[in-house]
Amino acid sequence: GENVEQHPSTLSVQEGDSAVIKCTYSDSASNYFPWYKQELGKRPQLIIDIRSNVGEKKDQRIAVTLNKTAKHFSLHITETQPEDSAVYFCAASSGNNRLAFGKGNQVVVIP
Amino acid sequence: GAVVSQHPSRVICKSGTSVKIECRSLDFQATTMFWYRQFPKQSLMLMATSNEGSKATYEQGVEKDKFLINHASLTLSTLTVTSAHPEDSSFYICSATQDRRNGYTFGSGTRLTVV
Repeated sequence: GENVEQHPSTLSVQEGDSAVIKCTYSDSASNYFPWYKQELGKRPQLIIDIRSNVGEKKDQRIAVTLNKTAKHFSLHITETQPEDSAVYFCAASSGNNRLAFGKGNQVVVIP
Repeated sequence: GAVVSQHPSRVICKSGTSVKIECRSLDFQATTMFWYRQFPKQSLMLMATSNEGSKATYEQGVEKDKFLINHASLTLSTLTVTSAHPEDSSFYICSATQDRRNGYTFGSGTRLTVV
């Protein structure tokens, strides 16, 4: 099955700087790659997603890039704010509808 | 947007008892629902996938007789933790999808504590 690796596990950034989280996946058939933000004790919230027919997608301060050849995709957060502090999960899905999650990345934005 | 309701949000039960968790899609028909378990500071681990009207598909290592999943309608799936033990204490989250084009929507989660 799909195996998603996520790095780094913890990331601290100064407010206003950019944060980048990288994920790799193993199944070349995967074609849907969402990113979720999860605050403590709450449900994961979809923040952005990308499909395999697109190389990059942007939504205000959030962007995701996908490299199908290398089988990796990255989340970019620009102009970070304290409210961006949370755990971020990447995931990948192939045609079977199942989502495989990375282990998560704790992002801490230092005011 | 798509909304998934999950109840209860918190439950405390005694060892040996059973607990039922409900997951409802409120404004769409969920052809597929997923159940995850999340331990503190860990990722979401898929337990099982259920399609309406058919038996759930369990992930390796998940006991189907212990975690009973029912997906009787396109808007409701239930997870019953039977004969609960303290090690079953965890955060259980459901997710539902109509089809992948519409993405996956998560429930609010259930914090289960077995004492």
